[in-house]
Amino acid sequence: ELKVEQNPLFLSMQEGKNYTIYCNYSTTSDRLYWYRQDPGKSLESLFVLLSNGAVKQEGRLMASLDTKARLSTLHITAAVHDLSATYFCAVEPGTYKYIFGTGTRLKVLA
Amino acid sequence: DTAVSQTPKYLVTQMGNDKSIKCEQNLGHDTMYWYKQDSKKFLKIMFSYNNKELIINETVPNRFSPKSPDKAHLNLHINSLELGDSAVYFCASSFPAGGSNTGELFFGEGSRLTVL
Repeated sequence: ELKVEQNPLFLSMQEGKNYTIYCNYSTTSDRLYWYRQDPGKSLESLFVLLSNGAVKQEGRLMASLDTKARLSTLHITAAVHDLSATYFCAVEPGTYKYIFGTGTRLKVLA
Repeated sequence: DTAVSQTPKYLVTQMGNDKSIKCEQNLGHDTMYWYKQDSKKFLKIMFSYNNKELIINETVPNRFSPKSPDKAHLNLHINSLELGDSAVYFCASSFPAGGSNTGELFFGEGSRLTVL
C-alpha cells in the first residue's frame, strides 16, 4: 500500500527560527506537490516539484525533491507568524490519483 | 470569479438522511476529484473523473454516488448518512499531469458535513 509520511506531525517554533518538514513516500513518483491549508480553509498549492533534484523557493519556504531517496523537504527560514498553517505533501504515482501525506501542523509563536 | 466552487458550504443532517454536494470548476480542467478530510486532517481520495468518466473509486461505500454531467461539474450524493460520514468534503480539479501540465490540484472551499 502506498504511504506518504510526513514528520513532524506537529511543529511549534519560535519566530525567527529555521526548521525542516520531511515527506517520505513509498512508491516511485517523479512529481511531488506541497500544499498549505489554513484552519477552516481550502488547500492552496505552494510548490510543484517535477524531477529529481528540483528545488523551488518562495519567500521563506524552500522545497526540494530527491526521487531516489523518495524524500522531499520543506525548509522554513526565519519563521514568521503568518506561516502558521497545516502543510501537506502529495505524490501522484499514477494518473488521476494523488496521495496526500499526513500533514504537518505548524504553529509559529511570537 | 471562483475557480472551483462547492455548495453547500455547511450541511447538518440526521443519520439516515440523503444529501448532495455540488461542485463546479471554470478552469477548463479535464479531471475532477472528491476528497474526504477527517477530523485529524487526513485527506483521502474518494473518486476521480476524467472527461465525465469515472477513473478512480477508492473503496468508498456504495452509499456514495458521484455524478459528472459534464467535465465542469462533479456532484456527490450520499444515501443513508452515518455518523462516520461527518467530515469536510473537498472537490478539486486539474489537468492530468504530463507534458506541459504540472498536474497541480485546485481545490474548492470544502463542504463541512455534520451527521447527528
